[in-house]
Amino acid sequence: AQRVTQPEKLLSVFKGAPVELKCNYSYSGSPELFWYVQYSRQRLQLLLRHISRESIKGFTADLNKGETSFHLKKPFAQEEDSAMYYCALTGGNDMRFGAGTRLTVKP
Amino acid sequence: DGGITQSPKYLFRKEGQNVTLSCEQNLNHDAMYWYRQDPGQGLRLIYYSQIVNDFQKGDIAEGYSVSREKKESFPLTVTSAQKNPTAFYLCASSTIGDHEKLFFGSGTQLSVL
Repeated sequence: AQRVTQPEKLLSVFKGAPVELKCNYSYSGSPELFWYVQYSRQRLQLLLRHISRESIKGFTADLNKGETSFHLKKPFAQEEDSAMYYCALTGGNDMRFGAGTRLTVKP
Repeated sequence: DGGITQSPKYLFRKEGQNVTLSCEQNLNHDAMYWYRQDPGQGLRLIYYSQIVNDFQKGDIAEGYSVSREKKESFPLTVTSAQKNPTAFYLCASSTIGDHEKLFFGSGTQLSVL
């Protein structure tokens, strides 16, 4: 069964500090991993996907198959990064989400 | 204006009543999904459909039903069998095999009177 675990419900950092949002997954095949973000009063939207290996808004995420992790990182957090972040996984037919981490970046 | 539209924004259900949440998209997406969002539990998949007249159960399908008579529409019915229906419901759509294009609606908040 596919499962996504985000161990931190809340994460608070100061502006300019590094931030890492953890995501672990379980899946028997080769999954695709994603990070979705929901800013205040906005719709849930895609932030990045592991296949693209890109940096979006300064965020990066590396798929570690050995540790089955897909942690989201940013070296210098900004106040506008405050949002709800969801890690998600698909094996091809559907998309499963983690419980989410609410990130607060304090000035 | 292309996108995915959910209605109503707020919905109230009486005990023993079935209610239907609407989801419409004009993005020409083949796949559509329903998620339930509860505080601290993230998004849980209720049902999904990849093609007209076909749909599959997600992780928490009990107490819910769906139909996919048209490509553009994927309504969700919360039946009286769902004992804890109060939640925020999100509909999403995507092209088949391209989950980067998973677009979400603005959601429906369902509450029990």
